[in-house]
Amino acid sequence: KQEVTQIPAALSVPEGENLVLNCSFTDSAIYNLQWFRQDPGKGLTSLLLIQSSQREQTSGRLNASLDKSSGRSTLYIAASQPGDSATYLCAVYPGTYKYIFGTGTRLKVLA
Amino acid sequence: EPEVTQTPSHQVTQMGQEVILRCVPISNHLYFYWYRQILGQKVEFLVSFYNNEISEKSEIFDDQFSVERPDGSNFTLKIRSTKLEDSAMYFCASLGAPIPDTDTQYFGPGTRLTVL
Repeated sequence: KQEVTQIPAALSVPEGENLVLNCSFTDSAIYNLQWFRQDPGKGLTSLLLIQSSQREQTSGRLNASLDKSSGRSTLYIAASQPGDSATYLCAVYPGTYKYIFGTGTRLKVLA
Repeated sequence: EPEVTQTPSHQVTQMGQEVILRCVPISNHLYFYWYRQILGQKVEFLVSFYNNEISEKSEIFDDQFSVERPDGSNFTLKIRSTKLEDSAMYFCASLGAPIPDTDTQYFGPGTRLTVL
């Protein structure tokens, strides 16, 4: 059974820091992995999608990497800003009609 | 840019009442999904729907739940007799590619259901 874990559960950093969020999954048989942002009480905003054949994807200050064989993905946020404060969710798609989500990392960027 | 929409954004209901959550998937998408997120917990898959039938459902999706595509645009989730533990954010998603593995699911903004 596929399990997705995100570490750390919560993170507080000063503005301007570069940071890394981690996602691990137990079964490497996935088709893609997606990172989402969720603001409190709000919906899911897709940040980056990495197909299984890709190693990384970049969007602005965000870079996501995927190492399928080791069951890991990282989301790198450069020069963090207070507006980046949110919960970041990792979700894997094992090709069984559904995404499997991690519990998220709650990020707070202090001004 | 096309997007998935959901109504209402917040629904408050009494325990035992029926609720219908509505979703308008992206036009010409073929696969439809419902997920839910209880406050403070993971987003969990409920059901997937393709070609007017359920493709897969989780153990959460019991007889109290049903899904329907009543017309060419809407996709609904019905909870027949709501319980307190049904309080959650419900997300609709749709996917367009004929082969699900080559595309991504697009998520709606969610409906917050509060059962009193």
